[in-house]
Amino acid sequence: SYELTQPPSVSVSPGQTATIPCSGDKLGDIFSHWYQQKPGQSPILVIYQDNKRPSGIPERFSGSNSGNTATLTISGTQAVDEADYYCQAWDSSTGGVFGGGTKLTVL
Amino acid sequence: QVQLVQSGAEVKKPGASVKVSCKASGYTLTRYAMHWVRQAPGQRLEWMGWINTGNGNTQYTQKLQGRVTISRDTSASTAYMELSSLRSEDTALYYCARARSGSSPYDYWGQGTLVTVSS
Repeated sequence: SYELTQPPSVSVSPGQTATIPCSGDKLGDIFSHWYQQKPGQSPILVIYQDNKRPSGIPERFSGSNSGNTATLTISGTQAVDEADYYCQAWDSSTGGVFGGGTKLTVL
Repeated sequence: QVQLVQSGAEVKKPGASVKVSCKASGYTLTRYAMHWVRQAPGQRLEWMGWINTGNGNTQYTQKLQGRVTISRDTSASTAYMELSSLRSEDTALYYCARARSGSSPYDYWGQGTLVTVSS
């Protein structure tokens, strides 16, 4: 079955750039999506189809996907961005797949 | 505005079944797919399956094949997820999530339904 791997945690100082990687076999050949989840809340979509932002998502969120790695980038990170972030993709045989999630700490 | 409102928390004994509902409003149910995702306490999101709400076709994760059934009632604009032969490891928050198709991202999520399996 298809698997996506993320680091458990990433730390960043306020105002700096946070990068969260997500790796999977030939991930660049399929679309990747990213979700933000804060404690006690449902996930929200922040990046879809590798690098598109849904309406209402701040411009500081961006994404890329090439080779075996998709990356979520948050420029000028703010305290409000502290959350768990999950990458997700669709594999034709496995179905929906999520990464293990990365806890972003802004300190 | 689009809303997905799920049924309330459930407590079940091992071996029982649970059926969670997800009522859609603000759009036509049959124009979007509905996926189900669960999250055990402190764990990752886990995709369970999805339904083409137009024709009723379904696809499930192999891990839950045979125990999970996703259905819909178009007249009630509601999707359902039923999980049988419950085990303690099925204790989780269960979410419905809307998507344009099977492979599309999930643009709206329900508020989640906590299912607790305990003897």
